[in-house]
Amino acid sequence: DAKTTQPPSMDCAEGRAANLPCNHSTISGNEYVYWYRQIHSQGPQYIIHGLKNNETNEMASLIITEDRKSSTLILPHATLRDTAVYYCIVRVREKAGNMLTFGGGTRLMVKP
Amino acid sequence: NAGVTQTPKFQVLKTGQSMTLQCAQDMNHNSMYWYRQDPGMGLRLIYYSASEGTTDKGEVPNGYNVSRLNKREFSLRLESAAPSQTSVYFCASSERSWGAMNTEAFFGQGTRLTVV
Repeated sequence: DAKTTQPPSMDCAEGRAANLPCNHSTISGNEYVYWYRQIHSQGPQYIIHGLKNNETNEMASLIITEDRKSSTLILPHATLRDTAVYYCIVRVREKAGNMLTFGGGTRLMVKP
Repeated sequence: NAGVTQTPKFQVLKTGQSMTLQCAQDMNHNSMYWYRQDPGMGLRLIYYSASEGTTDKGEVPNGYNVSRLNKREFSLRLESAAPSQTSVYFCASSERSWGAMNTEAFFGQGTRLTVV
C-alpha cells in the first residue's frame, strides 16, 4: 500500500515560492498523487493532482520525479492566506476498498 | 453553488444520546464520504458510499451508522454518543470513487461535535 511522508512543518516568507516535499516510494503505477490543504479547521480544499507528468493550475504546480517516488508542491508566490496544513495523498487500498487516506500533512506558515 | 452542505455546524451531546449528522451535495456526484478529524490530527475515513445504494466501512466505523438516502444525501448516525466521538466531522463528495479514478473531492465545512 502506498503511503506518504511529509515534513510536519515549514516556514516561508511572503512573496517567495513555497516548496512542499512529499515522499511516496511505494506508489503503484496507476495511483495518482493528490494535494489538498486545510485552512484553520475548514473543510479540506483540493489543490492539484497528477500521475507522472508535471501539472500546473491557477493555484500551484506539481512536480513528480521520474521514478514517481516523490513529488513537490510549489506555491509560486506564497501569501499569508496560504498558511494552512497541506496534505499529500496517494490511494491506499484497504479492506474497505478504494479510498484516500489523509496523513499528518505539512503545516505551512507564511510569514510577512 | 452550495457544493457540500453539512448540518448542524455545532452540536453538544450528552453521553448516550443519539443524533444524525446530515450531508447534502448539489453537484450530482456519485460518491460520498464521512471523515472525522481529532484535534491536531489528519482526517480519518469513517464510512463511504461509492454510489447510491451502497455503503462501506472506512478506517474507523465503530460506533457509527450511515444511510445513503438518495444520490444527494448521506447521513451519519451516532446511536449512543461517547466522549471519544468528540471531533470535527467532515462530509465529502466526488464524481466517482477516489483512488481508482482521476477525480477530486469536495468537502463540507464540518460539524463540530462535543460529547460530554
